[in-house]
Amino acid sequence: QKEVEQNSGPLSVPEGAIASLNCTYSDRGSQSFFWYRQYSGKSPELIMSIYSNGDKEDGRFTAQLNKASQYVSLLIRDSQPSDSATYLCAVNEGGGSYIPTFGRGTSLIVHP
Amino acid sequence: DTAVSQTPKYLVTQMGNDKSIKCEQNLGHDTMYWYKQDSKKFLKIMFSYNNKELIINETVPNRFSPKSPDKAHLNLHINSLELGDSAVYFCASSPDSSNQPQHFGDGTRLSIL
Repeated sequence: QKEVEQNSGPLSVPEGAIASLNCTYSDRGSQSFFWYRQYSGKSPELIMSIYSNGDKEDGRFTAQLNKASQYVSLLIRDSQPSDSATYLCAVNEGGGSYIPTFGRGTSLIVHP
Repeated sequence: DTAVSQTPKYLVTQMGNDKSIKCEQNLGHDTMYWYKQDSKKFLKIMFSYNNKELIINETVPNRFSPKSPDKAHLNLHINSLELGDSAVYFCASSPDSSNQPQHFGDGTRLSIL
C-alpha cells in the first residue's frame, strides 16, 4: 500500500511569515510530485509540480524534493490570509502505472 | 469555458436508489479520473480511463460502474446507494496517464438519506 503522509495541522502562521508544509512518501519509485491547494467547499487546484531533486520556485511558492529522504515540501513566502486553505501533496507512482496517491492534506491558517 | 464540468453539483437521494454523475472535459486530455473525498477530506482515486480504456480500478464496490463513451466524457453510475457513499465525488483529467498534474471539476456532493 503506497502511502503519502502529511501533518493534518492546522498550521497557523502570521501574515507575512513563511509557511512550511511537509510531505513524506513510501514508494521509492515515485517519479512526480504535486502540491494542490483546496479551499473549503472547492476543488483542488494545482500549485506546483516537481520532478527532480532540488528546489523549484514559482512566485511566492517553492517546492523542494529530496528523493533519497522521500520527502517533498512546499514553502509559502510572505503568507497572506488568502493562502488559508488545505494543501494536498500528491505523488505519482513510477513503473509505468502512474497511479496518483494523495496525502490527507495540511490545513494552513494565515492570521492577520 | 469550464475545463472540467460535472453534473449535478448536488445530489440528495434515498438509500437503495441508483444515480449517475456526468463529467466532461474540453481540454483535449486523454486521461480522466474519478475520486471520492470523504468527510475527513481524504481524496482517494476510484477509477482512471485513458482514451476510453480503463487503466486504474482501485478497490471500489462493484456497485460503482464508470463509463467512458469517448475520451472527453467519463460518467459514474452508482447502484443501490448506501449511507457510506455520502461524499464529494471529483472528476479530473490530465493530458495523458504519465507524470502530469490533474485538472479537477467542481465536485458533486452526494448525500444519502
